[in-house]
Amino acid sequence: EAQVTQNPRYLITVTGKKLTVTCSQNMNHEYMSWYRQDPGLGLRQIYYSMNVEVTDKGDVPEGYKVSRKEKRNFPLILESPSPNQTSLYFCASSFSPPYEQYFGPGTRLTVT
Amino acid sequence: KNEVEQSPQNLTAQEGEFITINCSYSVGISALHWLQQHPGGGIVSLFMLSSGKKKHGRLIATINIQEKHSSLHITASHPRDSAVYICAVAMDSNYQLIWGAGTKLIIKP
Repeated sequence: EAQVTQNPRYLITVTGKKLTVTCSQNMNHEYMSWYRQDPGLGLRQIYYSMNVEVTDKGDVPEGYKVSRKEKRNFPLILESPSPNQTSLYFCASSFSPPYEQYFGPGTRLTVT
Repeated sequence: KNEVEQSPQNLTAQEGEFITINCSYSVGISALHWLQQHPGGGIVSLFMLSSGKKKHGRLIATINIQEKHSSLHITASHPRDSAVYICAVAMDSNYQLIWGAGTKLIIKP
């Protein structure tokens, strides 16, 4: 089954404790992206990757890191999480923009 | 001014009604997407349009490139259509997506 998987789905952590949210797709997509969704603000892009070893900042990259060492995986790293990073995070992939994106199920992160 | 504006922000209707959600944008685009986000949070792509009209079941999406406007219609609405509908445009300069804020639709039985 074609899908984008994210782990964990739910995470509660404390300020400053490094965490990684994994994202994996099995559709051989070139393009992958991370978004955060906050009430009233809609989806905002954090980082995206056009291909392996090619990543670029989106609209809200501060406080986040990504890597794309393999085509299928695109982990999101929060080196020192802060409460303002409490949000719902989505990973998405597509063959390339502007084509249809496939979304993961989301990761709900709470930073206390 | 937001580059992608959706209207209405919220819409409540009775089962069976014809629903229209609008999306206006101000940038040059290569494509426009409509997506659906259910209360559980998952996001699913419904349509990608670059011109004209597409239909899938009870859903119809149209786009007018000259007027920079798109509409999503739902015929014979059903409570299971209750969701947030999101419009996003892919800019023709770099293909990056600009997202609308979403329209929350509630269909009452």
